Amino acid sequence: QSVLTQPPSVSGAPGQRVTISCTGTSSNIGAGYDVHWYQQLPGTAPKLLIYRNRNRPSGVPDRFSGSRSGTSASLAITGLQAEDEADYYCQSYDSNLSGPGVFGTGTKVTV
Amino acid sequence: QVQLVESGGGLVKPGGSLRLSCAASGFTFSDYYMGWIRQTPGKGLEFVSYMSSGGSSIYADSVKGRFTISRDNSKNSLYLQMNSLRTEDTAVYYCARQQLGDNWFDPWGQGTLVTVSS
Repeated sequence: QSVLTQPPSVSGAPGQRVTISCTGTSSNIGAGYDVHWYQQLPGTAPKLLIYRNRNRPSGVPDRFSGSRSGTSASLAITGLQAEDEADYYCQSYDSNLSGPGVFGTGTKVTV
Repeated sequence: QVQLVESGGGLVKPGGSLRLSCAASGFTFSDYYMGWIRQTPGKGLEFVSYMSSGGSSIYADSVKGRFTISRDNSKNSLYLQMNSLRTEDTAVYYCARQQLGDNWFDPWGQGTLVTVSS
């Protein structure tokens, strides 16, 4: 059971902007811990998309952006493209759990 | 390039055992914390276990006492010994590298499927 809640699905037309929320608590995002995002294309392993709230690894298009505020974080995709159809997961550290953190429940983006 | 390749998955009966392996290449394996993360259709991504570069380990409560993580830095390999397997352990198991000094994972291996069923 994850302590980071995401909407099960979001959808948008090509070219539109969609956002995915990741809602946590005072023991994770609300405590100021960084949030990371992963993209999982169909049939593949998760891939790092955003690290430390808003940073993009080399090769990730600038259509993807992240932010964090209070007990939540958000991933925005602008100029939605067909190849963005995937599952997206957030991750953060949680002071009530051992280990490197916890993952969000995941969001399916449909284009 | 940095690469992680898992192996060892398969079909096993409840109560059985399985050992997963993860072969790393393209980076100095001994410097990094490494982890196992699993994915089930109903529960999404779940952290299973991770091992520091120094050999200390942490486990999810759901596998504590049944799974053992280990590494062989001379072989650039990470392992997960899974005993007393349960049907709820059925999942795709990913090996992933934890970023130095931080807690994100990159890259991930392609995953290996473990099915626990009678």
